Amino acid sequence: GAVVSQHPSRVICKSGTSVKIECRSLDFQATTMFWYRQFPKQSLMLMATSNEGSKATYEQGVEKDKFLINHASLTLSTLTVTSAHPEDSSFYICSASTGGGGGELFFGEGSRLTVL
Amino acid sequence: GENVEQHPSTLSVQEGDSAVIKCTYSDSASNYFPWYKQELGKGPQLIIDIRSNVGEKKDQRIAVTLNKTAKHFSLHITETQPEDSAVYFCAASAFGDYKLSFGAGTTVTVRA
Repeated sequence: GAVVSQHPSRVICKSGTSVKIECRSLDFQATTMFWYRQFPKQSLMLMATSNEGSKATYEQGVEKDKFLINHASLTLSTLTVTSAHPEDSSFYICSASTGGGGGELFFGEGSRLTVL
Repeated sequence: GENVEQHPSTLSVQEGDSAVIKCTYSDSASNYFPWYKQELGKGPQLIIDIRSNVGEKKDQRIAVTLNKTAKHFSLHITETQPEDSAVYFCAASAFGDYKLSFGAGTTVTVRA
């Protein structure tokens, strides 16, 4: 299957700082990428849809000013958690589609954010 | 919007036995149904998927069945092995819409 890489896999930061997470499609171009958040023992919650060259579409209840998404190229999308607080601690996962209308989504390995 | 329900939430099976996870969906427009396996601390991995034009698909020890009339689909794992222990998620989406709706997940434990 297609490979999606996320970096960093783990990050610890102080409250009030900003953290950037990168999501790359390694062997394909992804017009659309998705960002999810997952709490312990829970399912994946879609945060936003990232489209190359345009603004991201955020799900209801997700603060766009808190979670900045940039999809600058067909292989890279970034999620920046701004002014992070302990309640932002979570597992963030990106996914990307190979396109073609087939529906297949491939996920990155996830990034564990801990805000102290 | 789409609502996907998944049962059971936990499943413990003896090694070598079969495991079955069931999901139902609400939106009749959904026609793509993937299953993901998630190991601790990792992202979900696509293990099998099925589209609405077929009723069953098999890949070695894994099979998925789909009943569009009843709006439910199931994952079957035969001859379970300890490495099958993980959380499994079902999902649904409409063709061309990559926005997946996920079930709540099933924690599968295979006892040696």
